[in-house]
Amino acid sequence: DVKVTQSSRYLVKRTGEKVFLECVQDMDHENMFWYRQDPGLGLRLIYFSYDVKMKEKGDIPEGYSVSREKKERFSLILESASTNQTSMYLCASSHRGRATNEKLFFGSGTQLSVL
Amino acid sequence: GDSVTQMEGPVTLSEEAFLTINCTYTATGYPSLFWYVQYPGEGLQLLLKATKADDKGSNKGFEATYRKETTSFHLEKGSVQVSDSAVYFCALSQRGGSQGNLIFGKGTKLSVKP
Repeated sequence: DVKVTQSSRYLVKRTGEKVFLECVQDMDHENMFWYRQDPGLGLRLIYFSYDVKMKEKGDIPEGYSVSREKKERFSLILESASTNQTSMYLCASSHRGRATNEKLFFGSGTQLSVL
Repeated sequence: GDSVTQMEGPVTLSEEAFLTINCTYTATGYPSLFWYVQYPGEGLQLLLKATKADDKGSNKGFEATYRKETTSFHLEKGSVQVSDSAVYFCALSQRGGSQGNLIFGKGTKLSVKP
């Protein structure tokens, strides 16, 4: 089975802290994505990556950065956490290619609370 | 830009009731359409998909038909079970677009009571 693993299920941080959210996939997928999920807003794409050391901004990249040093790992970084970044963060991956890219495999999510 | 609109929830049904969750989309060209499901405490997983007009996607008793004339992709199930309680997301992907990134609706929470 495809597995996308997010390092923490729940995380509590303080305003101004630097926060790292880690995601690892074990299916050799080229594409990886970070979304945030908020009630009434659904899923919004933060950043994505189609290859190692490659990154592209999604719809809401402000306040976030990412790192992809290895194919299997995609990290989301909050440089200085703020309370409006309290949210559920979902990582996803998929194979490259028009057809296969359409099936995303998601991790279970990290619920981040910024106090 | 492209967008997906779903009926707002929550939707509460009794076991064995008929389910419809409405989804309409706005897109240029010919997108692929999807339904993803998120069970409590889990990430999203693909439920079904359709890639062209009049295609019907089906899985686990759920069905949805790609209707280009009404720009809709409504999710239906004839008899829901308690285990179907989840949040359902409609999504589209533009083939040939920027790597086919998915655009999600806001989600519809379904609760099925015994």
